[in-house]
Amino acid sequence: DGGITQSPKYLFRKEGQNVTLSCEQNLNHDAMYWYRQDPGQGLRLIYYSQIVNDFQKGDIAEGYSVSREKKESFPLTVTSAQKNPTAFYLCASVNLRSDSLNTEAFFGQGTRLTVV
Amino acid sequence: GENVEQHPSTLSVQEGDSAVIKCTYSDSASNYFPWYKQELGKRPQLIIDIRSNVGEKKDQRIAVTLNKTAKHFSLHITETQPEDSAVYFCAASITGTASKLTFGTGTRLQVML
Repeated sequence: DGGITQSPKYLFRKEGQNVTLSCEQNLNHDAMYWYRQDPGQGLRLIYYSQIVNDFQKGDIAEGYSVSREKKESFPLTVTSAQKNPTAFYLCASVNLRSDSLNTEAFFGQGTRLTVV
Repeated sequence: GENVEQHPSTLSVQEGDSAVIKCTYSDSASNYFPWYKQELGKRPQLIIDIRSNVGEKKDQRIAVTLNKTAKHFSLHITETQPEDSAVYFCAASITGTASKLTFGTGTRLQVML
């Protein structure tokens, strides 16, 4: 089923707490991405990574952190510094082919985070 | 960086009619333009894409056109069916890098019976 798995599906967080969202892929893809989806705002990029131990900030990185210790895994931590963390979070991966043509992005099923 | 604008935000059509969604991009270096469909409660999935060396691409009832000069690309769905109801996203990126795949804000298409 696409080979990219996010967990948990639903997550509740108290204000002031850090939480970590999991993203694992078995597609042997090089690049991985985290997007935030809010109603009417499309998919906004938080962080992305091309290779292990390297990642770059996206358009809305403040209040988030990531790591890429393994090619298969790209966890996202939502810190207490994120002012409005309630949203739907999507992880995606892309195979960076040797012919330098992007292929499609495969998405996980998403994690819905709610601050209570 | 790249900025992608998408219109309209919502679109209602009668079953059998055509639907057109339009996007513009800002970075002239962008050369890859995919379209994703997200059904309610599901993940986005690629439905068609186009590269900058092509002006039009068609796949059954779906077609995409690209005007590089105007930095404009469009999705055309003909003979719409109820199962076409979903949110559609356009995107733009530069191939060969793990560049930011920048998405538009989405269009909610509703096909009415």
